[in-house]
Amino acid sequence: GAVVSQHPSRVICKSGTSVKIECRSLDFQATTMFWYRQFPKQSLMLMATSNEGSKATYEQGVEKDKFLINHASLTLSTLTVTSAHPEDSSFYICSASRGGGRSYEQYFGPGTRLTVT
Amino acid sequence: AQTVTQSQPEMSVQEAETVTLSCTYDTSESNYYLFWYKQPPSRQMILVIRQEAYKQQNATENRFSVNFQKAAKSFSLKISDSQLGDTAMYFCALVDQGGKLIFGQGTELSVKP
Repeated sequence: GAVVSQHPSRVICKSGTSVKIECRSLDFQATTMFWYRQFPKQSLMLMATSNEGSKATYEQGVEKDKFLINHASLTLSTLTVTSAHPEDSSFYICSASRGGGRSYEQYFGPGTRLTVT
Repeated sequence: AQTVTQSQPEMSVQEAETVTLSCTYDTSESNYYLFWYKQPPSRQMILVIRQEAYKQQNATENRFSVNFQKAAKSFSLKISDSQLGDTAMYFCALVDQGGKLIFGQGTELSVKP
C-alpha cells in the first residue's frame, strides 16, 4: 500500500511553454501533498505544501505565479510550471500524506525530470 | 529554526563491511521524528528507518540501525553487512510540527565489491 505515482516521468519542453506534472496517490487518500525540487547531487528543496481543496502554501523564494499547484481531490495534485525557462530544468518530486501533522508518513513519487530547451 | 546537518558528502565501504553515516540536527521541540531516507540511482526516495524522539530505544530495520543521542542531537545510521544495492544517496531528515520534512545535505555512499 501507499503508492504514489507521477506523470510524466520525463518531459522536454521549449522555453516559454507551460508543462503540467501530475502526482497521484493510488491506494490511499492524501489530505496533504508536498512538492520538492532537486538539483543533481543536492538535497530536496520543499517548494510548497498543498491541502485538498485549499490554496497551496509556498516556501519563501518560490514564485507562486510560476509554479501553480492545484490539489483538487484527495488523490491528485498537479504542478504547472508556467512560461518555463532553462533554469527551471530540474527533478521534481511529490510526496503524499494521509494527514498534515508530523505523525503522518510522507510517501514519495518517483519524480519527474523536466528539461527546458 | 530547525536544521539538519550531514557533514560527510561522500563515503565508501567494502561489500560486507559496516559503515556509519553521521547526522546532527537542531530543534526546540521536545517531541519530534527523525528519518533516514535512501535515494538510489533511480531517484525514488525510500524510507530506511524512523525514530520517535520520545522513544529511548534505538530503531532497527534488519541491517540498518540508528544511534540516537537526544542530548547531543545526533542521529547516525549504521549499515551492517553492506551490499552493492546499498549504493545510494542517504538523507537524514527531521519533520516539523506541520509535517514538513527538513532534509540534510545528503551523503553519497558507494559500496565497492
